Amino acid sequence: EIVMTQSPGTLSASPGERVTLSCRASQSVGRNLAWYQQRPGQAPRLLIYGASTRAPGFPARFSGSGSGTEFTLIITSLQPEDFAVYYCQQYNIWPLALTFGGGTKVEI
Amino acid sequence: QVQLQESAPGLVKPSQTLSLMCTVSGGSIDDSTSYWSWIRQDPGKGLEWIGSIHNTGSAYYNPSLRSRLIMSLDKSTNNFSLIMSSVSAADTAVYYCARWRTHDGFDIWGPGTLLTVSA
Repeated sequence: EIVMTQSPGTLSASPGERVTLSCRASQSVGRNLAWYQQRPGQAPRLLIYGASTRAPGFPARFSGSGSGTEFTLIITSLQPEDFAVYYCQQYNIWPLALTFGGGTKVEI
Repeated sequence: QVQLQESAPGLVKPSQTLSLMCTVSGGSIDDSTSYWSWIRQDPGKGLEWIGSIHNTGSAYYNPSLRSRLIMSLDKSTNNFSLIMSSVSAADTAVYYCARWRTHDGFDIWGPGTLLTVSA
């Protein structure tokens, strides 16, 4: 089983700040990694796939990078609507398993 | 634009069998590029993939849940379903249906439905 570990669990920031979220895989997943944004009371929304490709509808202040076991999501100039929980998910061993990280909450 | 909507009983008793359905609108479930999926989320916690089914009928399950799961899809009514047997309180969660594309992630999600397992 591939375990995905996200850090930090909670990140406190102010509007306009730049934040960095980390995701680590217990074994290499190549670039088969996605990020999701979940606002309170809503379903998750695909943000990044292929480690660095932004999904439609998300602005350029969101960027993903990394490969292998270490991945990063950067949000530059936080906007009020960006305060949410962010999850990473590996799909390197599809269809055997798809696994999510525990999430990082970005709070004001 | 494809949209998904879950339907479920809301409350199920322990040891019973749970049945959920997801209706696909705005597009066809008979799409060879998509895997129709279920994901759940414990209240206040993280996400767990349950399983996915292709339009060919091939289904793939989370190994930790496989023994209790059956997925199916109905092309005539454009929906897909999940049956989970022997439920317990540990299965209490919000259940989402979603579209999985092998290199593009879970790109479309339903709004989710809360399922509670309680006597």
